[in-house]
Amino acid sequence: EIVLTQSPATLSLSPGERATLSCRANQSVSIYLVWYQQKPGQAPRLLIYDASNRATGIPARFSGSGSGTDFTLTISSLEPEDFAVYYCQQRSKWPYTFGQGTKLEI
Amino acid sequence: EVQLVESGGGLVQPGGSLRLSCVASGFTFGSYDMHWVRQVTGKGLEWVSAIGITGDTYYPGSVKGRFTISRENAKNSLYLQMNSLRAGDTAVYYCARAHTSLPGAIDCWGQGTLVTVSS
Repeated sequence: EIVLTQSPATLSLSPGERATLSCRANQSVSIYLVWYQQKPGQAPRLLIYDASNRATGIPARFSGSGSGTDFTLTISSLEPEDFAVYYCQQRSKWPYTFGQGTKLEI
Repeated sequence: EVQLVESGGGLVQPGGSLRLSCVASGFTFGSYDMHWVRQVTGKGLEWVSAIGITGDTYYPGSVKGRFTISRENAKNSLYLQMNSLRAGDTAVYYCARAHTSLPGAIDCWGQGTLVTVSS
């Protein structure tokens, strides 16, 4: 099973600042890395697929990069609605697995 | 509007069984891979099962042999039969749709149904 490790566990920033979230896999997942955003009481929302492609309707301030085992989600300028938990997920090999999440807080 | 509505969650004793259902609307259900993903309250996400458009199924080791995923395209419905339930299976269970051209990327989630395994 592919293990994804996200860092940091919690990131404290202010609106307008830049956020950089990391996801590392214990073996290569090629580009098959997905990012989700989850707000309290809601289901996750697809943000980025295949490392760097924004899903439909996702603002341009969200960007993803990386390949192999190291990936980054960047939010260029935080808006108040961006404070949430972010999960990475690999779809390279079954069973698909998630990282443990990064909580982005004010 | 694309929608997934789960039902069937509840309280069950250890060793018991439960069947979850998910009704889909707003899209051609039979053309999509479907998944069940669970989340322990306040914790992370875990894949529970997947079923392809041809009926092929996938399970992680944690539930293999205990859980069975199935679909009934004529009823736009997805199911999860859960047997031999354990306290560790307590979680919110989400029905989820995979992106049509991105297997394993979930682009639509239900609201979730809570399963509590306790005596």
